[in-house]
Amino acid sequence: GAVVSQHPSWVICKSGTSVKIECRSLDFQATTMFWYRQFPKQSLMLMATSNEGSKATYEQGVEKDKFLINHASLTLSTLTVTSAHPEDSSFYICSAPNQGSLNTEAFFGQGTRLTVV
Amino acid sequence: AQSVSQHNHHVILSEAASLELGCNYSYGGTVNLFWYVQYPGQHLQLLLKYFSEDPLVKGIKGFEAEFIKSKFSFNLRKPSVQWSDTAEYFCAVMGDNKLIFGAGTRLAVHP
Repeated sequence: GAVVSQHPSWVICKSGTSVKIECRSLDFQATTMFWYRQFPKQSLMLMATSNEGSKATYEQGVEKDKFLINHASLTLSTLTVTSAHPEDSSFYICSAPNQGSLNTEAFFGQGTRLTVV
Repeated sequence: AQSVSQHNHHVILSEAASLELGCNYSYGGTVNLFWYVQYPGQHLQLLLKYFSEDPLVKGIKGFEAEFIKSKFSFNLRKPSVQWSDTAEYFCAVMGDNKLIFGAGTRLAVHP
């Protein structure tokens, strides 16, 4: 299957700083990428859909100014958690659908565990 | 917008018991349906997927799922579970260019 690479795998940052997470599709082009957040023992909650060359689409309740998304190219999307606080600590996962065929399957990055201290 | 409902939050079984996890979705258009598994401390893995072909889909590790359009359901089954199947299982639906997950079902299999 297709490969999606997410970096970093884990990061610890101080309260008030910003953290950037990268998501790359390695062997296919992704015009769309999904960003999820997973709290311990909970499901994946869709935060936003990033669109190459245009603004991201945020889900209800997700702060656009706090979670900045940029989809700079067909293989790279970034999520920046700005002015991070301890409550932003979570597991962030990106996913890229491979739309090369009639059927669309999403491939997942390995996730980024963010800890804000 | 689509939504996914998983009926069982926690399931406890003994080894060799049969498994069925419920999943219902709501969406008016054509959907692609998925079951993912997350083993303790690991990342999501795709178990199986439905892409508008045979409604009975076979996946990895002996799992299968049946798409019943009239019931908007995509239940996951396995005839005989093993201790190693202990994990969390997520049903997901792709529609409107979004992939939405159900709340998940935590399965514990006792030897």
